[in-house]
Amino acid sequence: SQKIEQNSEALNIQEGKTATLTCNYTNYSPAYLQWYRQDPGRGPVFLLLIRENEKEKRKERLKVTFDTTLKQSLFHITASQPADSATYLCALDSSGSGNTGKLIFGQGTTLQVKP
Amino acid sequence: DAEITQSPRHKITETGRQVTLACHQTWNHNNMFWYRQDLGHGLRLIHYSYGVHDTNKGEVSDGYSVSRSNTEDLPLTLESAASSQTSVYFCASSDRLSNSPLHFGNGTRLTVT
Repeated sequence: SQKIEQNSEALNIQEGKTATLTCNYTNYSPAYLQWYRQDPGRGPVFLLLIRENEKEKRKERLKVTFDTTLKQSLFHITASQPADSATYLCALDSSGSGNTGKLIFGQGTTLQVKP
Repeated sequence: DAEITQSPRHKITETGRQVTLACHQTWNHNNMFWYRQDLGHGLRLIHYSYGVHDTNKGEVSDGYSVSRSNTEDLPLTLESAASSQTSVYFCASSDRLSNSPLHFGNGTRLTVT
């Protein structure tokens, strides 16, 4: 079955630097991959979706890349701010066809941005 | 604004009791999902529904049930609560499109003593 791996260790960076988070998957390449943000005591909030035929997607200070050869997605936050501190989750469809709508999630990486 | 609400936010119950967690969405979404989130496991799918009267088992469905009598609600029932079901439970919904993002509620923290 498909598995997702995210670095479970917290990532600590200085304000203004670029944060890079990694999401690796193990089996079939998904039709799309999503990234979510989760704050303590809250549900995850959708940030970005990238499709298998897209190499890169941007939204304001966020950038996501998708490398189906490496089976990896990278999530970048440029000019990071303390308000970006949160746990970031990657998710993909549970089937290779990507059409079930059922998402499986990585365990998330906690980002701490220090002023 | 459309939203998805869960109730209660916190619940303490005893082993063996039946517990129902509520989930209500005003997005008019066809798809609804229940996940549990535990340290070391991340979010795991319990049950899901693609529409009224449709329910399906997820990865960790044992000891749980759901019913979908209307578009807005998908209550999650723990038939006989066990300590292993102590967790944070999240409800989510999405449009019928296969790559639609999930909209999550803010969770119910359930403690089984």
